[in-house]
Amino acid sequence: DQQVKQNSPSLSVQEGRISILNCDYTNSMFDYFLWYKKYPAEGPTFLISISSIKDKNEDGRFTVFLNKSAKHLSLHIVPSQPGDSAVYFCAASAGAQKLVFGQGTRLTINP
Amino acid sequence: EAGVAQSPRYKIIEKRQSVAFWCNPISGHATLYWYQQILGQGPKLLIQFQNNGVVDDSQLPKDRFSAERLKGVDSTLKIQPAKLEDSAVYLCASSWSGSYNEQFFGPGTRLTVL
Repeated sequence: DQQVKQNSPSLSVQEGRISILNCDYTNSMFDYFLWYKKYPAEGPTFLISISSIKDKNEDGRFTVFLNKSAKHLSLHIVPSQPGDSAVYFCAASAGAQKLVFGQGTRLTINP
Repeated sequence: EAGVAQSPRYKIIEKRQSVAFWCNPISGHATLYWYQQILGQGPKLLIQFQNNGVVDDSQLPKDRFSAERLKGVDSTLKIQPAKLEDSAVYLCASSWSGSYNEQFFGPGTRLTVL
């Protein structure tokens, strides 16, 4: 039962362009969503989050959009930089329940 | 501030053997989590401690996995006996209050079961 899905295993983007990573969920009880970034041989690090009462949250080059009716969220990175190359996980929680992670999307930024 | 420490970083064992992983959380963090990340999947929570009490172990295969957090600081996760499907990265994370966006992850232990 995959409640959080990232359907693109990989994404390649030119440096300076916009990167858009997508995530879909099935559990309508999810009310908090997060994005984590993971470099090889390191643990995930928190990037940005959004509550279900909002539809957008911005932090520097990173913006997360939430479409509750479509049960879809996306992470926009503008402009993309080589250091953004990593695996990105979306995660969701319902109330104070445990985080449920997607499978991850490997982002590669090409110079 | 020192991060979450885990050891060993890599471990190779044969099926039916036992293995233990160690985690030292960030000083002062009351909440400690163990996750299992199988290749190609996202991390899955195995167990969550608040100080030295278990908050959630609903996804821990209790017939073979055990975890403890004595004195509310360090924690160990044990697998006995290991199966091939236990091959994964085991991540430890900690946080002050259980808020998910304040969760700090260690580098993980990569386990290979042959």
